[in-house]
Amino acid sequence: GAVVSQHPSRVICKSGTSVKIECRSLDFQATTMFWYRQFPKQSLMLMATSNEGSKATYEQGVEKDKFLINHASLTLSTLTVTSAHPEDSSFYICSAHRLGRDNSPLHFGNGTRLTVT
Amino acid sequence: KQEVTQIPAALSVPEGENLVLNCSFTDSAIYNLQWFRQDPGKGLTSLLLIQSSQREQTSGRLNASLDKSSGRSTLYIAASQPGDSATYLCAVVTGGTSYGKLTFGQGTILTVHP
Repeated sequence: GAVVSQHPSRVICKSGTSVKIECRSLDFQATTMFWYRQFPKQSLMLMATSNEGSKATYEQGVEKDKFLINHASLTLSTLTVTSAHPEDSSFYICSAHRLGRDNSPLHFGNGTRLTVT
Repeated sequence: KQEVTQIPAALSVPEGENLVLNCSFTDSAIYNLQWFRQDPGKGLTSLLLIQSSQREQTSGRLNASLDKSSGRSTLYIAASQPGDSATYLCAVVTGGTSYGKLTFGQGTILTVHP
C-alpha cells in the first residue's frame, strides 16, 4: 500500500534554532501534501496545504514566516520551524494525497515529535 | 466553519464486546468521511473511507455508516480485542473535491482490557 515517510521521528532542539521536517511519498506522486500539528490529548489541526511547484496555503493563525513549507517535487514536502520556541513543541504530522486518485484516502506519515528546550 | 465532534471521549470495555463510536459534523456538504486509528506517539492509519454518496463501508470487524443529512457517522467494532486499543479519529473533507480541508474530531480513546 501507499506509504508516507516522515523524518525525523523525534527531534530536540534549543530555543532559537531551526528544524526541518521531511515528508516523502515513497511509492506514489503527491501534488498536494498537508501539514498538521497535534498538542497532547488534542486532535490534529491543519496548519497548511503544500502544493508542488507553488506557494503553500496557510490556515488562519499560522505564521507563514515561522513555518516555512517547500514542496519541491511530487514526492517531497518539507516543513521548517524557524527560530523555534518552547511553545512550538508539538507533534507534527504530514499527509499526502495520491495524484489522480480522488477517491483514495489520505496517507499519513508517522509524525515528528518536536521538543524545544 | 465545519466542526466535528466525537462521543464518547473515552471508552473502556472488556474483550469481546461489540462497541459503537459516534461522530457528528455540522456542515453536511462533505466530500467524504474517514475513520482513522492513532496509536500513542504514532501517525494515523486509515481504517475506512466513506464517500458522500455511500451509506456504509465494511472492513473485517469494522463497519462505518454515514448519514449525511443528519451529519452523523458511526464506527462499529465487533468482538473487540486488546489490540484494538487506540485513539479513533473521525475526519471529514468539506467541499466539492477530495483536496478540500480535512477537519478532525477530538477522538475517542478506546481501551479494551483482557
